Amino acid sequence: AQRVTQPEKLLSVFKGAPVELKCNYSYSGSPELFWYVQYSRQRLQLLLRHISRESIKGFTADLNKGETSFHLKKPFAQEEDSAMYYCALIGAGNNRKLIWGLGTSLAVNP
Amino acid sequence: DAGVIQSPRHEVTEMGQEVTLRCKPISGHDYLFWYRQTMMRGLELLIYFNNNVPIDDSGMPEDRFSAKMPNASFSTLKIQPSEPRDSAVYFCASSPQRGAGTEAFFGQGTRLTVV
Repeated sequence: AQRVTQPEKLLSVFKGAPVELKCNYSYSGSPELFWYVQYSRQRLQLLLRHISRESIKGFTADLNKGETSFHLKKPFAQEEDSAMYYCALIGAGNNRKLIWGLGTSLAVNP
Repeated sequence: DAGVIQSPRHEVTEMGQEVTLRCKPISGHDYLFWYRQTMMRGLELLIYFNNNVPIDDSGMPEDRFSAKMPNASFSTLKIQPSEPRDSAVYFCASSPQRGAGTEAFFGQGTRLTVV
């Protein structure tokens, strides 16, 4: 079964601390993985995708096929990083249905 | 482009009333998605369209929910009759035809409250 699991509903860290939001997936094949972010009172938007291998706002995520994980990391959290983060995948082929995790609410405290 | 446009932004209605949510996708995008977001369940895909044709409606909770896409620039999600448990934020998103790595662009959502 296709599934995305974000084990933490809420993650609270202090400003300047490292942060890791966990994402594990279950998919038989080679999916495309994404992280989306929803800041307070803003629309859900793409943060990064694994095929781009880029760092956005200091965040990175590496696809680990052995562990079927796509954890989101940032070495030094900032208060403006406080938001809801969703991990999602799309399977190979023309099915464009995104499979979503339940989201992790990140709170960065001063 | 103004992005995906949803209306209304907020809707408060009484139980039993019909509710219609509207979405204008980004011009040129071939896929349109309707999502529901709640605290308990997070984001749930209700239905999605490709070139105005419904592809997967397995997420539509029950017959009270229906969605249409009469043309490439407009879609509606209708709830009739509405119930308090339908209270949620409903998002519309669109994406282009390109490969699977293409992102979905979301509207700002409609916050529905059924009292």
